[in-house]
Order: sequence, then C-alpha cells, then structure tokens
Amino acid sequence: AQSVTQLDSHVSVSEGTPVLLRCNYSSSYSPSLFWYVQHPNKGLQLLLKYTSAATLVKGINGFEAEFKKSETSFHLTKPSAHMSDAAEYFCVVGGTGGGNKLTFGTGTQLKVEL
Amino acid sequence: GAVVSQHPSRVICKSGTSVKIECRSLDFQATTMFWYRQFPKQSLMLMATSNEGSKATYEQGVEKDKFLINHASLTLSTLTVTSAHPEDSSFYICSARDPWTSGSTDTQYFGPGTRLTVL
Repeated sequence: AQSVTQLDSHVSVSEGTPVLLRCNYSSSYSPSLFWYVQHPNKGLQLLLKYTSAATLVKGINGFEAEFKKSETSFHLTKPSAHMSDAAEYFCVVGGTGGGNKLTFGTGTQLKVEL
Repeated sequence: GAVVSQHPSRVICKSGTSVKIECRSLDFQATTMFWYRQFPKQSLMLMATSNEGSKATYEQGVEKDKFLINHASLTLSTLTVTSAHPEDSSFYICSARDPWTSGSTDTQYFGPGTRLTVL
C-alpha cells in the first residue's frame, strides 16, 4: 500500500521569498515520487520526479525536492517565488508494487503575493 | 515530447444523455492510459486503467457500465459517460504512460482535462 500526505492545504508567500511545500509518503516498496503542478482549469504538469537516483532532484522552473528516507519526506522548495508559481501542487507516490498506479496527495494551494 | 491531448475541453449536456471524451497521445504510443476524476478543490481520484486491446481495470466503487472505456489503439482511449446525471459533473483528466521515457518509473503525462457539466 502507498499513501502521501501533504501537510499544508494552503501556503502563502511573498514574491521573491522562498517556497516550501511539505510532503510525507508511505510505501511498502521503493517508491517513485513526483511533484505535479496544476494551474486553474488546466491539466497537470510534471515538475520533477525521484526514481532512486540522486536524492536531491532538480525540476523545471527552479523547483527542487529532496528525498529523505529517514524522514519519509519529499518536500518541494524554490529559492525565490514568482507570481506565475501560484497554482495547486500535488505530491504523488508511485511504485512497482502499485502496478504503475499513482496515488495523489490532497494538494497544496500556493498563493504568491506582491 | 510526451504530449497528451483531450477532446472536448468542455462539454455541457442534458441529464440522461451520453458523453464521449477522447484522450490521445500525440507523439508516443501509450500501451496504458489512465482516467481520473477531480471534484472542485479536491485531488485526483483514479477511476480506471486502460490497456490497449484489453478490458479496462476499474477502481473500487467506479461503475464500469456507467463509465465505458475503450482503448482501441496505442494513441487513443475514450471515456463514455452513459446516461449522465448532474452528480457526474466533474473535471475528467486522462494520462498516459510513455514506456520509452517512463522506463521503470511510473511517470504519467497528463491531458489538459475535460470539464463536464450535466444539466
């Protein structure tokens, strides 16, 4: 079984300040972990993925995430927020034990203020 | 690469009618496609897994006779909502797995979604 918990349903930051979106996972197998972003009424775009290679994963648009097995976490960070980053972010876990199925977190709404 | 399209992007229909949504992988062949449903301000819920040339596998609680899935080719899967009712109104999103770029991972590429409104 696998699950993912996004610890914050809403995060608000000022433009130019760091972003931290928290995610904890649970998996019976060696997990694949993803962060997807969804802009209003749009589909999901893959930001980055962890697949048991480097624990620090760099994605698009300046985002990165660090896999910490001891903490079962995969938090998403960005050094400096931009207005265009405002969107819904989903932490997602997959794994061979899940039969290629993805399990989504409940999402974190990121708001970026001037 | 790895682009997935959906058609239509938005559909409004009367209660009792059927609606077909298409999902296409534009630049790769997808042996497996997935259909999700997303209610307002909620996460995505997997409805079914669609395998080319075989019957779809539905998640628990999803009525297979109501949500008909056909995956007739390696680039097209369709979802038909039969006898739609207002409670079927939702955002339906498909995804596809590109075996060449996904490799051993579960990376899925998502379509832009279809907003269904049943009056």
